[in-house]
Amino acid sequence: ETGVTQSPTHLIKTRGQQVTLRCSSQSGHNTVSWYQQALGQGPQFIFQYYREEENGRGNFPPRFSGLQFPNYSSELNVNALELDDSALYLCASRAPTGSFEQFFGPGTRLTVL
Amino acid sequence: AQSVSQHNHHVILSEAASLELGCNYSYGGTVNLFWYVQYPGQHLQLLLKYFSGDPLVKGIKGFEAEFIKSKFSFNLRKPSVQWSDTAEYFCAASNTDKLIFGTGTRLQVFP
Repeated sequence: ETGVTQSPTHLIKTRGQQVTLRCSSQSGHNTVSWYQQALGQGPQFIFQYYREEENGRGNFPPRFSGLQFPNYSSELNVNALELDDSALYLCASRAPTGSFEQFFGPGTRLTVL
Repeated sequence: AQSVSQHNHHVILSEAASLELGCNYSYGGTVNLFWYVQYPGQHLQLLLKYFSGDPLVKGIKGFEAEFIKSKFSFNLRKPSVQWSDTAEYFCAASNTDKLIFGTGTRLQVFP
């Protein structure tokens, strides 16, 4: 266990709907990153939040958005869901020290029908 | 462009066999390198990491990796695998918080 928790575990949505995924970072970790892991692929970086602001973004459209709260927990929101959004969504947190080691949560499995 | 390549997509071994999984990266400047493991139904777990210093890095569960700068490689090794090593293995690189992952290698170990 890494101390990073995510909810829900599984989610089924239909095309065009919106979804919100949640992440609680490990205690004291103020940086949270989100990754998308499609079936048979490695995780791909979506974006990162630091001190409640987006601090880096991967190659994902604006319908992928996020929030970070004062307690460092975070949300990933996806609007206008597409079939290709079906994936495992991973949250990772990092301590405020110089190490780049990230700790991953168990993920949320999103299925878009 | 920054990228990480894993050449072995699926590896099948018998217990006690030696393991080497390849990883090559394309990255400008300083790079941090990682190997993560994903056991069936579990979260990504860090096996080992290289930031600087000794290019031979030892991790958990008897795994090690060697950073060879001239070959842009960071191969993962284990002298004798066990059935419990069956999992998906990911190589990753970064110079910030943005991790670039390879596509993964599925390792199956048979008793």
